[in-house]
Amino acid sequence: GIQVEQSPPDLILQEGANSTLRCNFSDSVNNLQWFHQNPWGQLINLFYIPSGTKQNGRLSATTVATERYSLLYISSSQTTDSGVYFCAVDNRGSTLGRLYFGRGTQLTVWP
Amino acid sequence: DTEVTQTPKHLVMGMTNKKSLKCEQHMGHRAMYWYKQKAKKPPELMFVYSYEKLSINESVPSRFSPECPNSSLLNLHLHALQPEDSALYLCASSQWTGGDREQYFGPGTRLTVT
Repeated sequence: GIQVEQSPPDLILQEGANSTLRCNFSDSVNNLQWFHQNPWGQLINLFYIPSGTKQNGRLSATTVATERYSLLYISSSQTTDSGVYFCAVDNRGSTLGRLYFGRGTQLTVWP
Repeated sequence: DTEVTQTPKHLVMGMTNKKSLKCEQHMGHRAMYWYKQKAKKPPELMFVYSYEKLSINESVPSRFSPECPNSSLLNLHLHALQPEDSALYLCASSQWTGGDREQYFGPGTRLTVT
């Protein structure tokens, strides 16, 4: 299957700081999603972004499909941003959209 | 509405018990998924249903038995589980058709096998 690598594995920030999370993938994709997993386990959809750039409030994401990477930007971090951020892809030609997840970035935001 | 619901939220069962997990979506999605997530690991695919038919089984042990009674419901029947099966079980759905492949996840069932 497709390989998905996320960096950094851990990130510790003070409230108000900005950060960039990276996702590299090993093959062409039809789907790329960014999720935030909160402490209760809920996977919250942040972006569906197989290519291009999107923004939602303090969060934005860019996927450069030809170079096989995606970036998630978090500006003016808040303590509620803490949790694990996953990148997940399904590769071109796959059936039924099975998602392959990266290992995640554990973000901790201190007040 | 982009909601997927799962019940129960928590489940504790013995190794000889039989229990079921339930997942429901009302978004008209035609693909539904079960994932298993162990602590500090990413979710891993278990099963995929498409148009109520089992399309993918990721070599999951037979003590896990999925069922899709209709297009909105997905069940996971559990029998004779092992302690190592303790995990968060996540259900997801997607439209799949028309190029929309975004998956939406439920809140999960946290399962403990004693």
